[in-house]
Amino acid sequence: DQQVKQNSPSLSVQEGRISILNCDYTNSMFDYFLWYKKYPAEGPTFLISISSIKDKNEDGRFTVFLNKSAKHLSLHIVPSQPGDSAVYFCAASARIQGAQKLVFGQGTRLTINP
Amino acid sequence: DTEVTQTPKHLVMGMTNKKSLKCEQHMGHRAMYWYKQKAKKPPELMFVYSYEKLSINESVPSRFSPECPNSSLLNLHLHALQPEDSALYLCASSQNWGYEQYFGPGTRLTVT
Repeated sequence: DQQVKQNSPSLSVQEGRISILNCDYTNSMFDYFLWYKKYPAEGPTFLISISSIKDKNEDGRFTVFLNKSAKHLSLHIVPSQPGDSAVYFCAASARIQGAQKLVFGQGTRLTINP
Repeated sequence: DTEVTQTPKHLVMGMTNKKSLKCEQHMGHRAMYWYKQKAKKPPELMFVYSYEKLSINESVPSRFSPECPNSSLLNLHLHALQPEDSALYLCASSQNWGYEQYFGPGTRLTVT
């Protein structure tokens, strides 16, 4: 039972254009959502997050949108840069047994072409 | 400083060996986590420690034994592992009531 889904395994975008990565979730108990970026042989790096009480959060070139009724969130990167090429994981958080549990999507490999 | 360190970076062990993975953070975080990541898969939660007490064990086999000696350190003791346990093992930490988890670089484990 995959509670967090990223349906696009890969995405290719031209440098300078907008990259849009999508994520869907099924569990209504999730109350916080995060995006992580991962390079090979490294740990995930936290990028940006959003609380379930908001619909948008912006940090520089990165904006996350949350549509709670559709159980859908997206990450917009604009303008895209070659250094953005990496695997992006969407993660959803729920508090269970007094601790925070993150459930990750399968990841989307983003390639930025010069 | 959002650094989580993990040692060793790489580990090769036989199925009869006993080894340990170490994780350290100095951000004052009171929650620490172990994840396992197989190739082309997302990280999967194994254990959560909150205030040095085990809060979540995701039905992990007993050949993996976590330990939290103090609020800055997290160990994962390995014994009698199987080849399918080969993976990247990631440690993370967060403020206990915070949501953002900060990950270390991981230990690449190969079981032969």
